[in-house]
Amino acid sequence: GENVEQHPSTLSVQEGDSAVIKCTYSDSASNYFPWYKQELGKRPQLIIDIRSNVGEKKDQRIAVTLNKTAKHFSLHITETQPEDSAVYFCAASVTGTYKYIFGTGTRLKVLA
Amino acid sequence: DAGVIQSPRHEVTEMGQEVTLRCKPISGHNSLFWYRQTMMRGLELLIYFNNNVPIDDSGMPEDRFSAKMPNASFSTLKIQPSEPRDSAVYFCASSLGDGEKLFFGSGTQLSVL
Repeated sequence: GENVEQHPSTLSVQEGDSAVIKCTYSDSASNYFPWYKQELGKRPQLIIDIRSNVGEKKDQRIAVTLNKTAKHFSLHITETQPEDSAVYFCAASVTGTYKYIFGTGTRLKVLA
Repeated sequence: DAGVIQSPRHEVTEMGQEVTLRCKPISGHNSLFWYRQTMMRGLELLIYFNNNVPIDDSGMPEDRFSAKMPNASFSTLKIQPSEPRDSAVYFCASSLGDGEKLFFGSGTQLSVL
């Protein structure tokens, strides 16, 4: 069945450093890849997304890259700040359905 | 728009009781999803609807769980009878449709004692 693998499960970085979270997906026809940030006790919130016809998208300090051939996509956060500390989830759309498969999450800690 | 609205925010009940969770999707959104989140299993899709019709309920754990969407602005997830292992955060989410942005509600923290 469809699957999304996400790595690493935890990530600690010093404030100001960059953080990279990687995901792989199994459905080669997936065409939409969102990233969510979930703070403790809160809802997952969409922070950036990318479609399969684009290789990279950037929004201020966050960027997402997509490699369709390898079925990889990654989230890049530059100049990390303590408020970036949260759990981040990647997801991929499932072809022919309306649903999304989520990765298992990455707990990011930004150390001041 | 107020976003996806869920109620209650917290529910504490005793094993064997019926639990009903409620969701109002964003106006105009055609697809509605129910997810369950636990530390062990992450975000699991339980069921989703498109245009009020259940499309895929393969994620529903067992017959104790049921979901309805009587109209475009309301959905319920019912657990009867509830068990301690049902304790989790239940999220409702909605989107405009296939491959569109998915927006989550604030969730219902369910504790079954």
